[in-house]
Amino acid sequence: DVKVTQSSRYLVKRTGEKVFLECVQDMDHENMFWYRQDPGLGLRLIYFSYDVKMKEKGDIPEGYSVSREKKERFSLILESASTNQTSMYLCASSLGQGYRQPQHFGDGTRLSIL
Amino acid sequence: EDKVVQSPLSLVVHEGDTVTLNCSYEVTNFRSLLWYKQEKKAPTFLFMLTSSGIEKKSGRLSSILDKKELFSILNITATQTGDSAIYLCAVEFRDDKIIFGKGTRLHILP
Repeated sequence: DVKVTQSSRYLVKRTGEKVFLECVQDMDHENMFWYRQDPGLGLRLIYFSYDVKMKEKGDIPEGYSVSREKKERFSLILESASTNQTSMYLCASSLGQGYRQPQHFGDGTRLSIL
Repeated sequence: EDKVVQSPLSLVVHEGDTVTLNCSYEVTNFRSLLWYKQEKKAPTFLFMLTSSGIEKKSGRLSSILDKKELFSILNITATQTGDSAIYLCAVEFRDDKIIFGKGTRLHILP
């Protein structure tokens, strides 16, 4: 079974802090994704990556950056956290372009910015 | 504008009832439609649909896609309290882009 692991289930940070959310997958997947999930808005794609050191903006990249130095790890960075970034963050991975395989999700990180 | 719309947004039924959840979409170069179930944590994959008219079935859950009318339905028969969850529909299109609907929150009363 695919295992997508997010480093924290719950995280509380202060406005202006730099925040790192880590995601690791163990199935050698090429694609990795970061979403945020908010009530009434569903899942919205922040950034995704098709390969090491490669990244593409999703629908709401403002205020975020990502890093993919190794294939198995995809980090989401909040450069200067703000209260409107309080949300549930979900990481996902999938096999690769053209494979038509579903994304597999981690358990999520519930981030609160005070 | 590419979009995925799920209906209803929420639904409350009694155990044993049958429910139908809807997902309609408008995207360019459709590739596949996926259904996920989300309880308290990670969304878990249910179905991937790529062809019209072919029903996918897993136990009491089934789903079908209509690529002409641009929608899919997810049916759950003989519902149980364990079916209570948010059901997410997602559509993959163009160059591996994906959009999720806002989800249907289903609550099954004992």
